[in-house]
Amino acid sequence: GAGVSQTPSNKVTEKGKYVELRCDPISGHTALYWYRQSLGQGPEFLIYFQGTGAADDSGLPNDRFFAVRPEGSVSTLKIQRTERGDSAVYLCASSQRSRAFDYGYTFGSGTRLTVV
Amino acid sequence: GEDVEQSLFLSVREGDSSVINCTYTDSSSTYLYWYKQEPGAGLQLLTYIFSNMDMKQDQRLTVLLNKKDKHLSLRIADTQTGDSAIYFCAESNPTSGTYKYIFGTGTRLKVLA
Repeated sequence: GAGVSQTPSNKVTEKGKYVELRCDPISGHTALYWYRQSLGQGPEFLIYFQGTGAADDSGLPNDRFFAVRPEGSVSTLKIQRTERGDSAVYLCASSQRSRAFDYGYTFGSGTRLTVV
Repeated sequence: GEDVEQSLFLSVREGDSSVINCTYTDSSSTYLYWYKQEPGAGLQLLTYIFSNMDMKQDQRLTVLLNKKDKHLSLRIADTQTGDSAIYFCAESNPTSGTYKYIFGTGTRLKVLA
């Protein structure tokens, strides 16, 4: 597509529930990133995919968080047993790996997750 | 660990210049970026600078880099009301191999008409 698409744009869930957040990157972009932005903060790195594999998942806060990208395109961020502290905007971005530095990423508009 | 810091707020009058400042700690940072975030929108890349440069100009935007002090600034000339947004500084270290960014907390720019 023309841009990075994230769905849903808003998600309200109850504490303890499971949620899935979807990211559809720009066609042809092999690199995909997930970031989390809490209120009043800058985005924090969660995970980076190069193709289908997670090249760096060092930012995932704990084992309740998991992400997949089975066909090297769409990615899903999965959060189990949600907690109120998981409430944030989850941002997805994509880039062509070879141009990540000098062209930067293209970010989606994010999914605002609220855990009540 | 790496850290990027910014002042939280800046208010300027329309037509004046805005200067947004950022300091970072990772001396191996090679690429530094400025992103703009408007309400309800994703982050938009404004400009970037390599660590072997001291200055970069792009239309109304001027980026200054002081490597010795690890200080980065973004100057917006002739600031307009449409420039009101949150501006994030970010740094990246290619030796990490992951192309991940470390973002600052953002500076909220308010432009007064």
